[in-house]
Amino acid sequence: DGGITQSPKYLFRKEGQNVTLSCEQNLNHDAMYWYRQDPGQGLRLIYYSQIVNDFQKGDIAEGYSVSREKKESFPLTVTSAQKNPTAFYLCATRTGWEEKLFFGSGTQLSVL
Amino acid sequence: KQEVTQIPAALSVPEGENLVLNCSFTDSAIYNLQWFRQDPGKGLTSLLLIQSSQREQTSGRLNASLDKSSGRSTLYIAASQPGDSATYLCAVAPSGGSYIPTFGRGTSLIVHP
Repeated sequence: DGGITQSPKYLFRKEGQNVTLSCEQNLNHDAMYWYRQDPGQGLRLIYYSQIVNDFQKGDIAEGYSVSREKKESFPLTVTSAQKNPTAFYLCATRTGWEEKLFFGSGTQLSVL
Repeated sequence: KQEVTQIPAALSVPEGENLVLNCSFTDSAIYNLQWFRQDPGKGLTSLLLIQSSQREQTSGRLNASLDKSSGRSTLYIAASQPGDSATYLCAVAPSGGSYIPTFGRGTSLIVHP
């Protein structure tokens, strides 16, 4: 069953804690993205990766970090430096031929 | 910097109506435009993708058009149903540089029986 798997669906972070959101894909897509969505707002780009071992900052990268060690995986770490992390986080991939985006089901992160 | 505006922000209609959702963008140098549907608490589902050289795309009751010169795309939903209730977003990708689409804030649609 092809697709993008984000886990967990819900995540709670304590003050001063780093948390990691998982994004795994079996679509064989090179490009992957992390977006943040706040209520009533458009999607804002956190990081993107065009290929394994390469990633670029998006518009709101401060307080976040990523790695891309495998084509299938693009985990996002929300660090304690991110003071307002409560949001819905979406992972996406992009096809290489028609440049089409596909999204995972999202992770809702809240602060305890 | 590309700006994408979706009007109206919210729409409530009775079942059976034909609908038009609008997506406006400020920079006409685009690579493609993609329409998505988002249900509450869920990810985005791709509906239609229009390449910059195309004028429209159709899928079932959905038709999306693109007019680059005027910076507009419309999503037409025929014979709306309660199951169409969702938020509809458009994403505009630039023609040069990295593929980094700009998203609109979406139109929240409610179709009531």
